[in-house]
Amino acid sequence: GQSLEQPSEVTAVEGAIVQINCTYQTSGFYGLSWYQQHDGGAPTFLSYNGLDGLEETGRFSSFLSRSDSYGYLLLQELQMKDSASYFCAVRPNAGNNRKLIWGLGTSLAVNP
Amino acid sequence: KAGVTQTPRYLIKTRGQQVTLSCSPISGHRSVSWYQQTPGQGLQFLFEYFSETQRNKGNFPGRFSGRQFSNSRSEMNVSTLELGDSALYLCASSLAGTGGGQPQHFGDGTRLSIL
Repeated sequence: GQSLEQPSEVTAVEGAIVQINCTYQTSGFYGLSWYQQHDGGAPTFLSYNGLDGLEETGRFSSFLSRSDSYGYLLLQELQMKDSASYFCAVRPNAGNNRKLIWGLGTSLAVNP
Repeated sequence: KAGVTQTPRYLIKTRGQQVTLSCSPISGHRSVSWYQQTPGQGLQFLFEYFSETQRNKGNFPGRFSGRQFSNSRSEMNVSTLELGDSALYLCASSLAGTGGGQPQHFGDGTRLSIL
């Protein structure tokens, strides 16, 4: 089957750096996406890795290694507003059903 | 540019009733996906429509159905509502839907409560 695994919860303090891992078991996919969702809000797109390597967008970076079947989201200089759930997602590039596959999400709590 | 609009925002129904939720995608977006989200759960994929055709389908019973109109607006219908259908229903649109690089843009969702 195809699945994505993320830690369910992560806790960090303001100003720190946190890494949220996403490991996957899927035969082939286009790339790895990350979304952020605040409590009561809608998920918002953060980043996409189509190729192996690091993508940087401000305080957030995302990494993909297809050979190791994993990726991560790196959040630097954490702020209280970063407290949210973070989801990784991939879309298979083969087969009849190419629905977007989502991890269950990682709840990040940033403490003062 | 207007975002994804979902109506209604909140809805209360009773068991056995049916409900129709609406989603207007971002202008120019042809792909619309629907998700169910319950507390502490991830996003459970319901279905995806592209150019009025259902392109992908999740593992939900036949009580859940949807359609897309020629203007890309989409509706989803749930018949014979059950208590377990209480959830946040999210709609997301994207330009084409295939190819992982197309980000999905989500609406604020419809919060459905079943009494």
